[in-house]
Amino acid sequence: KQEVTQIPAALSVPEGENLVLNCSFTDSAIYNLQWFRQDPGKGLTSLLLIQSSQREQTSGRLNASLDKSSGRSTLYIAASQPGDSATYLCAVSDAGDFNKFYFGSGTKLNVKP
Amino acid sequence: ETGVTQSPTHLIKTRGQQVTLRCSSQSGHNTVSWYQQALGQGPQFIFQYYREEENGRGNFPPRFSGLQFPNYSSELNVNALELDDSALYLCASSLAQGEPGANVLTFGAGSRLTVL
Repeated sequence: KQEVTQIPAALSVPEGENLVLNCSFTDSAIYNLQWFRQDPGKGLTSLLLIQSSQREQTSGRLNASLDKSSGRSTLYIAASQPGDSATYLCAVSDAGDFNKFYFGSGTKLNVKP
Repeated sequence: ETGVTQSPTHLIKTRGQQVTLRCSSQSGHNTVSWYQQALGQGPQFIFQYYREEENGRGNFPPRFSGLQFPNYSSELNVNALELDDSALYLCASSLAQGEPGANVLTFGAGSRLTVL
């Protein structure tokens, strides 16, 4: 069974700092990996989607990388802003059952003004 | 383009009762997935519906059931509620596998269920 782990569970940084969030998964046979953002009491917003054949995706100040063989992904946030404060969730779908996404427990990010 | 809407946003039930949660998918999406998110945890896959049939199921007992309607909206039903069913229930819509843009999930804001 696929297990997804996110480290750290919580992170507090001053505004303007660059930061990296980590995600690891136990089964490298994935279909794709997505990073989501969740604001308190809200649903999830998709940030970046990386197909299993890709190494990275970029959107604005966000860059996500994927190393399928080692079961790792990172989300890099450049020049962090207070508005980036949220919980960031990583999810993978299996190559054999791509209907189902496995989520990590998230990293709660606080960017201090 | 409308997003995914869920109702109700909050509800309180007692053990043993039954609950129905509703979801309207994003315009153009034909697949709906349901997830359960306990406090402080990541979402867990309950099941997915495509063409009004269940198309994949997670590790949830049969008292969790669902429906999808011809307009692609969906319901999640939970019978014989237990305290551990207290959670945020998230609905996500997407296109079917093989269609361009499939696997990009659009989530609703969720229905927060409290079981007393």
